[in-house]
Amino acid sequence: DSGVTQTPKHLITATGQRVTLRCSPRSGDLSVYWYQQSLDQGLQFLIQYYNGEERAKGNILERFSAQQFPDLHSELNLSSLELGDSALYFCASSPQPFSAGNTIYFGEGSWLTVV
Amino acid sequence: GESVGLHLPTLSVQEGDNSIINCAYSNSASDYFIWYKQESGKGPQFIIDIRSNMDKRQGQRVTVLLNKTVKHLSLQIAATQPGDSAVYFCAEENSGYALNFGKGTSLLVTP
Repeated sequence: DSGVTQTPKHLITATGQRVTLRCSPRSGDLSVYWYQQSLDQGLQFLIQYYNGEERAKGNILERFSAQQFPDLHSELNLSSLELGDSALYFCASSPQPFSAGNTIYFGEGSWLTVV
Repeated sequence: GESVGLHLPTLSVQEGDNSIINCAYSNSASDYFIWYKQESGKGPQFIIDIRSNMDKRQGQRVTVLLNKTVKHLSLQIAATQPGDSAVYFCAEENSGYALNFGKGTSLLVTP
């Protein structure tokens, strides 16, 4: 158990809908990362937050947004869902902003299926 | 563009043998590399990391080797056990703000 908690574990929704994925980082970790894992693209970095502020963006679509709250939990919002958004979404955390030697710990993921 | 890739998508080894999983990277400026293990239905689990100023690092039953000349990374698992069956990812630092993951190698340990 990495200490990173994600909910829900599984979610099935229809195209065009909007969902919110939630993440609680490890105790004491200030940085939160979101990754998307699909069969054809592997693990793709989406976005990073540090202490409530957006720090870096990766391959995140405009239909997706995220935020980190004062209690350090984070939410990833996915809107206007398409079939291709079906994937495993991982949250990860680390004590400090990403840097060499700063290990990132992953949660168990939220499995999103868009039908 | 810059990318991290894996030489073999699947690897089958017998229990007790040593396993070697390879990874090629193309960003010569990367300073930090990590190996993760992902079991079915779980998130990636940190195994071992290495900085670019090192060429070898050992952990418990695992060794990571870094060859900067040919931009190659490998993970060696000694005395492979059934519990080692998983997908293994190498990841490299990406511009100092995130990890860039390779596609993964599936390791299957047979009795």
